[in-house]
Amino acid sequence: DAGVIQSPRHEVTEMGQEVTLRCKPISGHDYLFWYRQTMMRGLELLIYFNNNVPIDDSGMPEDRFSAKMPNASFSTLKIQPSEPRDSAVYFCASSFRSLNTEAFFGQGTRLTVV
Amino acid sequence: AQKVTQAQTEISVVEKEDVTLDCVYETRDTTYYLFWYKQPPSGELVFLIRRNSFDEQNEISGRYSWNFQKSTSSFNFTITASQVVDSAVYFCALSGRNTGTASKLTFGTGTRLQVTL
Repeated sequence: DAGVIQSPRHEVTEMGQEVTLRCKPISGHDYLFWYRQTMMRGLELLIYFNNNVPIDDSGMPEDRFSAKMPNASFSTLKIQPSEPRDSAVYFCASSFRSLNTEAFFGQGTRLTVV
Repeated sequence: AQKVTQAQTEISVVEKEDVTLDCVYETRDTTYYLFWYKQPPSGELVFLIRRNSFDEQNEISGRYSWNFQKSTSSFNFTITASQVVDSAVYFCALSGRNTGTASKLTFGTGTRLQVTL
């Protein structure tokens, strides 16, 4: 398997624009996670899905953030409108069967909002 | 609430030295799982090991070894004969399970390891 695939790898956008980050989990994995990594706050869990259903979105910082998982092989994280403080590396990860099994991470999307 | 503390922010060693990265955790879950991840300069997060709370046996994988001590709530990671390729940020993480409810992964703040020639 190719692992968790994220796109784009880098995104630079202007404040106020909509940004969509994409993720393809490992085939067969039934948990999908979106994390954000910043120097100030480290790795934060934003939201996770189980069998395509959002289970916990308590980490989503504001209503400007939304995530969807229309099928088992695709998820998006959208920020609308984007702000400079959203600049971070966003990771998608997937795991099999449980929250307690190892999660495999994508290479991340480095987002810069100017 | 869960908490993972990696008190060492940055460690520098010379190649071939042994180095230990500390991890201390707090949880009220009856069953829990501990992880180590590596984040090399390229940025991806690489899974290294998972341990459950019932298995206190230490583990060795090549130059890597892990020391799990429930009595001190620690899960330390040792690299023997370090190499430049070991330079990375290392994260300790914790997830748990209590009466059937799983709690999500909590990461420490990471320890940056720099190995020089």
